[in-house]
Amino acid sequence: QKEVEQNSGPLSVPEGAIASLNCTYSDRGSQSFFWYRQYSGKSPELIMFIYSNGDKEDGRFTAQLNKASQYVSLLIRDSQPSDSATYLCAVNNYGQNFVFGPGTRLSVLP
Amino acid sequence: DAGVTQSPTHLIKTRGQHVTLRCSPISGHKSVSWYQQVLGQGPQFIFQYYEKEERGRGNFPDRFSARQFPNYSSELNVNALLLGDSALYLCASSSAPGTLSSYEQYFGPGTRLTVT
Repeated sequence: QKEVEQNSGPLSVPEGAIASLNCTYSDRGSQSFFWYRQYSGKSPELIMFIYSNGDKEDGRFTAQLNKASQYVSLLIRDSQPSDSATYLCAVNNYGQNFVFGPGTRLSVLP
Repeated sequence: DAGVTQSPTHLIKTRGQHVTLRCSPISGHKSVSWYQQVLGQGPQFIFQYYEKEERGRGNFPDRFSARQFPNYSSELNVNALLLGDSALYLCASSSAPGTLSSYEQYFGPGTRLTVT
């Protein structure tokens, strides 16, 4: 059974701080890793994807991947109240279905 | 360009009834996947279709079925509805498989199904 685990939260950070979201996965064959943001009552929105070990930066977001540890994280710098949402981690193994984690609720306090 | 579209947005059905949900992918995308998201959980994979053929099936009963049409739109059908089928049903589209980037999935707004 392929599993993706996330801390359900809520994770509360003050405005302007760095939010760190973590995800672990069980399938060593996983090749691609995705972070989605989901506002309450809305559908998931793709934020970032990463395929190679190391860091990938896009604006205020940085995804980090460590395949040996089966660990992927998302850092959000200069957190804003508008970043308050549930963040979903998803993994994929070339053409097979995506497996999503349960999501982490992030609350950015003004 | 239009994103993924789904219809209807909301639906209320009675136990035992049948429901059909519809999805149109992003222009140029040939693969469609369906997910069920229960409140407080991550999306659960139901089906993936590419070029009208089923490419993957999640752990859902045979009451769930789907198909993809020549224009790459898709339908999800659920028979003999149960209370537990109440959820947000999400459609996601991606480009043809074969490259890493083709596994980026983009979700539609979803259909909120309530079974009473």
